[in-house]
Amino acid sequence: EIVLTQSPDLQSVTPKEKVTITCRASQSIGRSLHWYQQKPDQSPKLLIKYASQSISGVPSRFSGSGSGTDFTLTINSLEAEDAAVYYCHQSSSLVWTFGQGTKVEIK
Amino acid sequence: QVDLVQSGGGVVQPGSSLRLSCAASGFTFSTSAMHWVRQPPGRGLKWVAIISFDGSNIQYADSVKGRFTISRDNSKNTVYLQMNSLRAEDTAVYYCATPGHPWGQGTRVTVSS
Repeated sequence: EIVLTQSPDLQSVTPKEKVTITCRASQSIGRSLHWYQQKPDQSPKLLIKYASQSISGVPSRFSGSGSGTDFTLTINSLEAEDAAVYYCHQSSSLVWTFGQGTKVEIK
Repeated sequence: QVDLVQSGGGVVQPGSSLRLSCAASGFTFSTSAMHWVRQPPGRGLKWVAIISFDGSNIQYADSVKGRFTISRDNSKNTVYLQMNSLRAEDTAVYYCATPGHPWGQGTRVTVSS
């Protein structure tokens, strides 16, 4: 099973600050890494697919990078509405796995 | 636009059965693998099962193997999850998903006596 480890677990930031979340895979997964945002009582929302591909309707302040084992989600100029839990997810193997989640809270 | 609309779920007693459905539109369902993922209350996301595009390759998480069955009907663009011998630890919101696309809205399953 491919293990995904996110860091940090919690990030407390002020609006307009830049946020960086990393996701490390236990083995190479190419670019089969996706990022999701989940707010309370909502289903996970796809933000970035295949490491860096943007999703229609997602604000341009969200971007992704990386390949192999190391990936990054960047939120430029954080807005209050971005408070949520963020998950990385790999689809390289038939058995999907997920990071443990990073909670982003607004100071 | 990709849409996965889920149905089924509810509150059942331990040992009971439930069937979840997920109707797909907006992409070529018959060539897409489909997955089920679940999220226990207050917890993270856990993969449950996968079925290949033609149903020939099926895999399950160890926690549900022998109790859950994933299936699909490509003529109806629908994937199913039959859940038998339900346990309290199966309590979760269940999502259907396909790689690189938005997930279903989720359906809540509560197993409680």
